[in-house]
Formats: sequence, structure tokens, C-alpha cells
Amino acid sequence: NAGVTQTPKFQVLKTGQSMTLQCAQDMNHEYMSWYRQDPGMGLRLIHYSVGAGITDQGEVPNGYNVSRSTTEDFPLRLLSAAPSQTSVYFCASRRPTGVGTEAFFGQGTRLTVV
Amino acid sequence: AQSVTQLGSHVSVSEGALVLLRCNYSSSVPPYLFWYVQYPNQGLQLLLKYTSAATLVKGINGFEAEFKKSETSFHLTKPSAHMSDAAEYFCAVSENNAGNMLTFGGGTRLMVKP
Repeated sequence: NAGVTQTPKFQVLKTGQSMTLQCAQDMNHEYMSWYRQDPGMGLRLIHYSVGAGITDQGEVPNGYNVSRSTTEDFPLRLLSAAPSQTSVYFCASRRPTGVGTEAFFGQGTRLTVV
Repeated sequence: AQSVTQLGSHVSVSEGALVLLRCNYSSSVPPYLFWYVQYPNQGLQLLLKYTSAATLVKGINGFEAEFKKSETSFHLTKPSAHMSDAAEYFCAVSENNAGNMLTFGGGTRLMVKP
């Protein structure tokens, strides 16, 4: 029972490089989302998706792109990494709102941009 | 719009003492409320959730929380702290609207002294 799987767990990038953080879930959840965690700021929503082919921006979307071609996968792309994107990134999935469903989280990706 | 405020970014208690972590929310519609726990270098794990069934919610590891609509609060308590409770705790809110994602508070780091 894998749940939500994120890869890689750790990554160091140079300023200006691009990369994709992978997220996959095997629970057939329609909703998926990406958060970044920074000290004292909790988790802030970057982008989210309510189903395959549908994505939308969260609170802090600048510098990131997403796509949702399948229910299972929701990759997060950093277009041109900046030191301000140094953070821990979490992917989450959940069933649709309406029954008070909780989000299930991956183990996180710790990204450092130098 | 929904928001969450956690009072106290750090809370320190002695082993065996009462744990009280505060959470206040803002929501334009009846909310769903959640408490998550994060142990070092791990993802977030659900402690408990409020989905309007009962105002006093019991969760894992002896934690419970009470929904108080008049105070817009959802404080987390545990009668007797254990060393293993040392972690970071996040309160989150989700409005009962389609497409709504979780919004998190800034987190409270709980330290337990022997």
C-alpha cells in the first residue's frame, strides 16, 4: 500500500537549472496538490488539481508549473530555480470535498538551490 | 476565504503534563478541520479531523480536539505528554466547497522535557 510517493527525496540545484519533482498516488484520488513548507510559515499551496486535465494555482504559484495527464501522477516543474525556492515540497492527494476527507501526504522532497 | 492561526510557534511541556495547542480558524462556510503531526524528516500524518458529526473529536495517540463555533477554535489537547509526542503539529481547514484544498496554520513545535 504505497499511498503517495514522491521522488527524489533530496535535490541540490544550481540557480537557473530546471527540474521536475515527481508525485504519484495509487488511491485513485481525484484531488492532488503541491505544498511548500518553510519555517514558521506552515504549508503553502503551490498548485492543485481536481482531476485529470484540470489544474489551478494556489497561494504561491510563481516559478512553478504543473500538469495532470493521469489520475495517478502530478509532477511539479521548476522552470528556472532560484534560491527562494529552497524548501521542502510535499505532494498530497484526497478524495473530493463533501465528506470531510483528509489529505494524504508523501514523504517530501528537500530542495536546495545554490 | 479560509485561514488558520496557530498561537505559539513553540510550546514546551514537561513529561506527564497537559498538552494544549491552540488553533483558530476563519471560514465563510461550515468548515472541516484537521490536526496533522510531523515527526522530524517525515511527511504529515493525520491526528484527527472534525467533519460536523461531533464537536469533541478523538484522535490517535491520546489526542483530542474540541470544535467551538462561537470561538472559531479547534484546540488540540492531550492529558499527559510523552517524550514521543515531541513533533511539529499543524492545524488545517477546508471549506465544504468543490475543489477546495486544505489551508494550513504556521505550525507549533511541541517540546517535551523529561
